[in-house]
Amino acid sequence: QVQLQESGPGLVKPSETLSLTCTVSGTSISNFYWSWLRQSAGKGLEWIGRIYTSGHTNFNPSLESRVTMSIDTSNQFSLLINSVTAADTAVYYCARDRAPVGRPSYNWFDLWGQGVQVTVSS
Amino acid sequence: EIVLTQSPDTLSLSPGERATLSCRASQTVNNNWLAWYQQTPGQPPRLLIYGASNRAAGTPDRFSGSGSGTDFTLTISRLEPGDFALYFCQQYGTSFVTFGGGTKVEIK
Repeated sequence: QVQLQESGPGLVKPSETLSLTCTVSGTSISNFYWSWLRQSAGKGLEWIGRIYTSGHTNFNPSLESRVTMSIDTSNQFSLLINSVTAADTAVYYCARDRAPVGRPSYNWFDLWGQGVQVTVSS
Repeated sequence: EIVLTQSPDTLSLSPGERATLSCRASQTVNNNWLAWYQQTPGQPPRLLIYGASNRAAGTPDRFSGSGSGTDFTLTISRLEPGDFALYFCQQYGTSFVTFGGGTKVEIK
């Protein structure tokens, strides 16, 4: 069965870079879009961005200037958010995108990782 | 950005009762591209409905989605113990997808 698993540091200092990896098992990472999302008490669920196996990306406009995503053939994709503040404290999820035929950037999310808590604090 | 407003914030019902959850969009959701998710404590969201009314694989038929334009509804026909959870709507009518704030269905 398809599984997604997030990994990375649970504590990041303010102004530093948050780095997470999602490992996909049970299916090839090819031919799908993959997203990162986060959930905090204050802002609810928030989509961060998506990446395709070609490396094509789309980002939430409010985060675009600080976010980088990458993907590789070892069935992993990654998220970097630089210059973090306390407002970036959240549970971070990776998810598989599904889309209407011919509209690959218009996505709902059919599979999610368990999530990883990331706290920004000195 | 399309803002989704869910109501009520909390719904207190008994097992066996019918639950009706609302999701209202600040502008028309193109093609009625709206999804619903269920979340229990400590778990990620689980997809229930996409395309406003299409059940995802494994979604029981007591869950149904309806609506169009700016007004959408998730109905649970007869609540079972596992249905007491948090529910979110999400629009994907634009490439910048957004979520509602959630409705908690709790045991009365």
